[in-house]
Amino acid sequence: SQTIHQWPATLVQPVGSPLSLECTVEGTSNPNLYWYRQAAGRGLQLLFYSVGIGQISSEVPQNLSASRPQDRQFILSSKKLLLSDSGFYLCAWSVYTGNTEAFFGQGTRLTVV
Amino acid sequence: AQTVTQSQPEMSVQEAETVTLSCTYDTSESDYYLFWYKQPPSRQMILVIRQEAYKQQNATENRFSVNFQKAAKSFSLKISDSQLGDAAMYFCAYRTYGGATNKLIFGTGTLLAVQP
Repeated sequence: SQTIHQWPATLVQPVGSPLSLECTVEGTSNPNLYWYRQAAGRGLQLLFYSVGIGQISSEVPQNLSASRPQDRQFILSSKKLLLSDSGFYLCAWSVYTGNTEAFFGQGTRLTVV
Repeated sequence: AQTVTQSQPEMSVQEAETVTLSCTYDTSESDYYLFWYKQPPSRQMILVIRQEAYKQQNATENRFSVNFQKAAKSFSLKISDSQLGDAAMYFCAYRTYGGATNKLIFGTGTLLAVQP
């Protein structure tokens, strides 16, 4: 069966520090991969999505970047965090095509202080 | 660009009653998929129901059903016989049909409270 792992679960980082959040998927190949950010009590904002290795689409200009070095690995990064980067970050995967649902990781609560 | 709008930030329903959550979307595509997800306090995202745009028949899953109006670009969720466990944030989502773009975008959510 397929599983998705996202870590860490919580993270407190100072302003100006780098960030690296990792997401890996097991049990499937060539998945679509997504990074979302959810501010407190708000909706899910699509940050990046990827349909293949090295293929990254950015939805919102921001202080963040994403990479997909392997088929089932998706990394969210920042060189210098801002206070506004605080939030709940969710990674998700779905089958390449079809009406199948997206499966989500447990999320990372990032607090920038 | 596609957008998803949920105009009801919060809703409340009495236990055992019926509630309808609204969702509208904007797209120029003819084929796409629509979803409703539930996010309880645990923050885990749970699929509630899905609809293919090429199907005219409204999807149903037990107490959950949708009213899909393609021409109006409307996709509402009806919860019948509401239960305390239905209390959660509900998100409407749109997914492109496939190919080079596989975007999955969400609305801003509706927080549903269920009163005993």
